[in-house]
Amino acid sequence: GDSVTQMEGPVTLSEEAFLTINCTYTATGYPSLFWYVQYPGEGLQLLLKATKADDKGSNKGFEATYRKETTSFHLEKGSVQVSDSAVYFCALSVNQAGTALIFGKGTTLSVSS
Amino acid sequence: EAGVAQSPRYKIIEKRQSVAFWCNPISGHATLYWYQQILGQGPKLLIQFQNNGVVDDSQLPKDRFSAERLKGVDSTLKIQPAKLEDSAVYLCASSSGGLWNEQFFGPGTRLTVL
Repeated sequence: GDSVTQMEGPVTLSEEAFLTINCTYTATGYPSLFWYVQYPGEGLQLLLKATKADDKGSNKGFEATYRKETTSFHLEKGSVQVSDSAVYFCALSVNQAGTALIFGKGTTLSVSS
Repeated sequence: EAGVAQSPRYKIIEKRQSVAFWCNPISGHATLYWYQQILGQGPKLLIQFQNNGVVDDSQLPKDRFSAERLKGVDSTLKIQPAKLEDSAVYLCASSSGGLWNEQFFGPGTRLTVL
């Protein structure tokens, strides 16, 4: 079945370090891909999305490129801040017509000053 | 724009008791989802509504879980009787069902079953 696998955490970085969180997926058809973020004490928020191969989603300095050939959607940021500390979830939806999201297990990021 | 509202935020019950969670989606959103998030895992869909009809409830443990969305707006998720393994955060999300399927999540209800 459809699934998402993301790297185990926690990821611990110093401020201004480069961040990569790996995400790979298995899906039939042509899924849309998402990164959601959950800040401490808050609900899930959409961080960025990509809906077709080679699309790049970006927001708040984060980027991810939809790579169909490697079935990946890795999250990157060039310089993390303490305020980026959160749990990051990679997710997919099988089609664009309101299908529910399938999530990875989440990766906890902790950034220290 | 008001977000997705959920209540209560926290609930502690004994096993075999019943519990109900309430969700008020963003105004005008036709699609409503209930997810279960067990500690250390990603959210997993329990049930999806389109207006007041069920689209997908294939992962809902129907022997103990039930959900309804009367009038296509608010929704209630019930567990009866609760088991220890039901301890989780229950998330409600809504979507306009538009092309990009962005879902907006509520803050969740954290359930602890003792």
